[in-house]
Amino acid sequence: EAGVTQFPSHSVIEKGQTVTLRCDPISGHDNLYWYRRVMGKEIKFLLHFVKESKQDESGMPNNRFLAERTGGTYSTLKVQPAELEDSGVYFCASSQVLAGPVGTQYFGPGTRLTVL
Amino acid sequence: DQQVKQNSPSLSVQEGRISILNCDYTNSMFDYFLWYKKYPAEGPTFLISISSIKDKNEDGRFTVFLNKSAKHLSLHIVPSQPGDSAVYFCAASVHGNKLVFGAGTILRVKS
Repeated sequence: EAGVTQFPSHSVIEKGQTVTLRCDPISGHDNLYWYRRVMGKEIKFLLHFVKESKQDESGMPNNRFLAERTGGTYSTLKVQPAELEDSGVYFCASSQVLAGPVGTQYFGPGTRLTVL
Repeated sequence: DQQVKQNSPSLSVQEGRISILNCDYTNSMFDYFLWYKKYPAEGPTFLISISSIKDKNEDGRFTVFLNKSAKHLSLHIVPSQPGDSAVYFCAASVHGNKLVFGAGTILRVKS
């Protein structure tokens, strides 16, 4: 079974440009999460989709970030316009919706974003 | 407001010995705790988890202990192997939703 995949693995852009990150979750996983790790610090939550609906976007830093999950499959995270402080590693994770309250989240390899 | 704390940035252990990684949390609403292992340039890999209704969960060489009264959990690796060298993240959630991570502990297992 394929794991969570992310594209690109690395992106270098200039301040003010736009970047779109993509995440393909594990097949059958309705929950999709975006996280970010900045400057080697802790990994921080950005938002959570259940299928195509945004369940929780409390971690989104500002309106320069736009996440979508069309059709409840893959998701994109667009940063427009990018700022220097957006540099970091963006992780995507997915989990199954279980009858109980918890589902282990499985992470992708991440996209390293560098804003110059 | 750091709700999950890993106070040891790094830990060095001899191969074959026990590695103990610690984690403290402040939010009493957390009911699910996980440990992830991360190698450079890779995403976090799920290792082991524990529900708040338990105080111990074991999986092979890995055991997680939960002390709810102290809001403390620990990961024991016995015996430690050089391949265990990685960054270990403690994470917590409420009802399995968004994960709140600690800053990580770098484990080095020396052969």
